[in-house]
Amino acid sequence: DIQMTQSPSSLSASVGDRVTITCQASQDISNYLNWYQQKPGKAPKLLIYDASNLETGVPSRFSGSGSGTDFTFTISSLQPEDIATYYCQQYDNLPFFGQGTKLEIK
Amino acid sequence: EVQLVESGGGLVKPGGSLRLSCAASGFTFSSYSMNWVRQAPGKGLEWVSSISSSSSYIYYADSVKGRFTISRDNAKNSLYLQMNSLRAEDTAVYYCAGEGGYGDFIFDYWGQGTLVTVSS
Repeated sequence: DIQMTQSPSSLSASVGDRVTITCQASQDISNYLNWYQQKPGKAPKLLIYDASNLETGVPSRFSGSGSGTDFTFTISSLQPEDIATYYCQQYDNLPFFGQGTKLEIK
Repeated sequence: EVQLVESGGGLVKPGGSLRLSCAASGFTFSSYSMNWVRQAPGKGLEWVSSISSSSSYIYYADSVKGRFTISRDNAKNSLYLQMNSLRAEDTAVYYCAGEGGYGDFIFDYWGQGTLVTVSS
């Protein structure tokens, strides 16, 4: 099984900050990597697919990059409504989610 | 508007069974693969099972293989998960998730979830 190591597990940042979350795969997964946002009590929401493609309707302050084993998710300017837990998910073989990053406002 | 509505969750004793349903609307259900993803209380997301549009391809996580069965009825726009031999560690919110067209295992449609509690 391909394991995903997501870091950090939690993050505190100020409004307007640039925020970065990383995800590392245990083996090469090409660009088979998605990013989801989950707000408390809600279902996850797809933000980025195929490592760097922005889902329709998602604000452009969200972006993703990387390929192979190392991936990055970035919020260019943190907004209060971005408070959530973020998950990476690989799908090179069967799907597997990272452990999640809980993002809080400082 | 795409809607996925899960039902069938509840409290069940260890070793018991439960059948979850997911009613889909607002998209061509029969054209897309569907999945179940679960989330234990306070924990992360875990993919559970996938079924292709025509039910030709079915996959399970190792944690549920042999105990859970995924199925679908395209005529009724419905997805199901039959859960047998339930364990305490199966306690979770179960989400129905659809692959809307970007490709395999890209979950762009989600239901609101249904809670399954396995406890004596």
